[in-house]
Amino acid sequence: DIQMTQSPSSLSASVGDRVTITCRATQNIATFLNWYQQKPGKAPKLLIYAASNLQSGVPSRFSGRGSGTDFTLTIGSLQPEDFAIYYCQQSYSSPRYTFGQGTRVEIK
Amino acid sequence: EVQLAESGGGLIKPGGSLRLSCAASGFTFSDAWMSWVRQGPGKRLEWVGRIKSKTDGGTTDYAAPVKGRFTISRDDSENTLYLQMNGLKTEDTGIYYCTTFRTFGDVVVIWVFDSWGQGTLVTVSS
Repeated sequence: DIQMTQSPSSLSASVGDRVTITCRATQNIATFLNWYQQKPGKAPKLLIYAASNLQSGVPSRFSGRGSGTDFTLTIGSLQPEDFAIYYCQQSYSSPRYTFGQGTRVEIK
Repeated sequence: EVQLAESGGGLIKPGGSLRLSCAASGFTFSDAWMSWVRQGPGKRLEWVGRIKSKTDGGTTDYAAPVKGRFTISRDDSENTLYLQMNGLKTEDTGIYYCTTFRTFGDVVVIWVFDSWGQGTLVTVSS
């Protein structure tokens, strides 16, 4: 199976900071990469699909880049409601879909 | 508005069986591919399996750790998805989410876990 590794596993940041999370795949997955946000006690929510496409309703401060094996999720200006865990997920290897281990974004 | 509501979780002994249900509304369930995703305590999200719409064959696929023990089925007349879990192991403990599973995009068409239920907790312990 394709393994997905995120870094860092957690980070502390302040409101207004620019935050970048990295996701790396163990093989080339082109742009078959999605990002999800999960808040405590809630289900994950789709943020970005196909590496760089913003899901409808998601604020424009979220952006995604990358292709091949290396991807990033950037929050342009961190807001209080953005403190959550973020997961990447590959859809290249159908149907063996895999997720990253998550990156927890905490308040500094 | 898409709504997915899981039920059926609980405490079960190793080796036991449990059936989870997911009641769907707000979309044409019979046309939808559906999936189950789980999250063990302190663990990453893990895809469990999917079922295609009957129009697309209604077939199922499973992750290796559950293949042969778990069965996904659907009742389109009741807009309900099921996950039958047999031979449960302690490592099956976690929150089980029901999700819609569909394609997004035009240039790059990608499968996405689109809408999620709130999950139901399964605890496998003696």
